[in-house]
Parts: sequence; structure tokens; C-alpha cells
Amino acid sequence: DAKTTQPPSMDCAEGRAANLPCNHSTISGNEYVYWYRQIHSQGPQYIIHGLKNNETNEMASLIITEDRKSSTLILPHATLRDTAVYYCIVRLLRTSYGKLTFGQGTILTVHP
Amino acid sequence: DAGITQSPRHKVTETGTPVTLRCHQTENHRYMYWYRQDPGHGLRLIHYSYGVKDTDKGEVSDGYSVSRSKTEDFLLTLESATSSQTSVYFCAIRGHPTTDTQYFGPGTRLTVL
Repeated sequence: DAKTTQPPSMDCAEGRAANLPCNHSTISGNEYVYWYRQIHSQGPQYIIHGLKNNETNEMASLIITEDRKSSTLILPHATLRDTAVYYCIVRLLRTSYGKLTFGQGTILTVHP
Repeated sequence: DAGITQSPRHKVTETGTPVTLRCHQTENHRYMYWYRQDPGHGLRLIHYSYGVKDTDKGEVSDGYSVSRSKTEDFLLTLESATSSQTSVYFCAIRGHPTTDTQYFGPGTRLTVL
């Protein structure tokens, strides 16, 4: 799986958009970008994933650059409950056992 | 939450005692996983299962064994607990193949004294 680089921490004001970057310059053509988050003391939670097109769901939007070497997770209207560690993971779809490798992630703190 | 429960949620035990953690799912998923999470190491895969009685090792399997006699239950056993196994343990299931996402349980906090 391709290695990812994320800033260790970010801040965001409540109600504003939170834009979390991820660099994955060694991504291969058939690797997907997944985002998970982990709220304190809870299990990780799946947010969104994509291959090369931008994706949106009820939680967030995922913007992947045209060269696929980086991506941005957007939480359009951050709330205090979005304070969490956000993990960007690059991996193949449907590998033999669905391996997930978590890095250190970005600690997002949403302020009132 | 994909119907995943873990028990116990908290446990304190002494070095050398056996410990079994249970993961239970209600949606008949084939793949199940055990991870541990420690400060500075993130989540690391211990063992996984791809069906009843079908299990394999992850990256940090030493000192752990697993069993899966029913689809819904995946057990993690520490045969002789050590202080280095103090951690938070998460169970996960593999969701629908089209998304290939994992859904995690609430975790078990284990302290080995």
C-alpha cells in the first residue's frame, strides 16, 4: 500500500469548513483513498473513499487531485463532535484479507 | 455500527493469567479482525478471520490466539497475559465488497498488572 503523509494537527472553528489534506505521491493506478476517523475512546469510523473522481456523502466530501498524488477531506460545516483523529489510507480494493494500515493521522480540533 | 459488540469493555488482570475477549456481530459478515491500539503505534492488526475456523496472523500476533467456531463470534485469547499486552483492543468486520470498508466495535480496554 502507498504511504501517506498528513499534518499532525489542525484547528477549525465550529460551523466553518474543515479541509484535511493528505499526500500520497506513490499511489498506484488501482489504489483507492479511504478516510476514517476516530473520536476519543471510540472505534475508528469509516467516512468516505474514492479512486479518482470527487466523492460526496452525508458526512464529507473527498477531493482527489488529477494526478492522484494528494487528496483533501472536506467537512463542510464542522461541529464540536467532529473533533477526532482523521486517518487517510491508500489501499487496493478487495485485497486478499482487506488489510487496513493506519498511520498517525491528523488530530482535528474544532473550536466553539 | 454494523451490529458489533465487544465484551468485556474493561478488564484488569494480573500477569500470567489467561484472558479472553469476545467480539460478536449480528450481520453475518465473513471477515472479522482484531486490532490493538497503543500510543505512538496507532492501530495494529493482531489476527483476522475469513470464515468459521479460518484464521490467520496479522502483524503483531505473538502472544495471542484466536478462534471462530461460529460466524458471529470471534474470540481473542491471551494465554498468559503480560504487561506489554496492556492496550485497547478493537474488533472489526469487513463490510460490503463493493466498498471494502471496515466497521469497528467500541473497544475493550485491557490492563495487565
